[in-house]
Amino acid sequence: EDKVVQSPLSLVVHEGDTVTLNCSYEVTNFRSLLWYKQEKKAPTFLFMLTSSGIEKKSGRLSSILDKKELFSILNITATQTGDSAIYLCAVVLGSGNTGKLIFGQGTTLQVKP
Amino acid sequence: DVKVTQSSRYLVKRTGEKVFLECVQDMDHENMFWYRQDPGLGLRLIYFSYDVKMKEKGDIPEGYSVSREKKERFSLILESASTNQTSMYLCASTVGGLSGNTIYFGEGSWLTVV
Repeated sequence: EDKVVQSPLSLVVHEGDTVTLNCSYEVTNFRSLLWYKQEKKAPTFLFMLTSSGIEKKSGRLSSILDKKELFSILNITATQTGDSAIYLCAVVLGSGNTGKLIFGQGTTLQVKP
Repeated sequence: DVKVTQSSRYLVKRTGEKVFLECVQDMDHENMFWYRQDPGLGLRLIYFSYDVKMKEKGDIPEGYSVSREKKERFSLILESASTNQTSMYLCASTVGGLSGNTIYFGEGSWLTVV
C-alpha cells in the first residue's frame, strides 16, 4: 500500500524560530514529491522535488529530497505569524499520462508572536 | 480567476440522502481527483480519473462513487450519506503526466450529514 507520513503532526513555535518538517514515503513508481501550504482554503503550491540532493529555495522556505532514504524535509527559517498553516506533503505516482497523487496527514504549524 | 469550480460550497444533508458533489475544470485536464480532508488525517484520496468514463479507486472509496461523462466534469456521489461522511471534500485536476506545479484545487465543499 502506498503511504506518505508526515511528522510532527503539529508544532508550536515563536516568531524567529527555525522549523523542520518531515515527510517520508513508501510508494511504488515514484515520480515526484510536492509541498503545499494550506490556510483555510485550497492548498497552494510550494515546491516540486524530483531529484535527490538538489535544494529548492523560495525566500525563507527550502526543501530537499532524499530518494535513497525516501524522505523530504521542508525548512522554514525566521518564522513569522503568517507562516501559520497546515503544510502538506504529497507524492505523485505513476507513469505516462496516468497517475495518482497521495498526501500525508499534514503538519499544523502555529507561529506565536 | 477560478479554474476548478466546486459549485456546492456548504451543504447540510440528512442521513440516507443521496448527495452529488460537482467539480468542473476549464483547463482541458485529463486527470481529476476527489479527496476528503479531516483534521489530523490530511487529504485522503477517494477516487481519481485519468480520462472520460475512466475511474480508479483511491484509498477510501467505500460509500462513494464517481462519474466522469465529460472531460471537464468529475462528480462525487454519496449514494446514502452517513454522519461519518461529514467532511471537507476537495477536488483537484491536472494535465496528463501529473507535473506537480500544474495541479489545481477547487475551493472545497464542506458537507455536514445530520
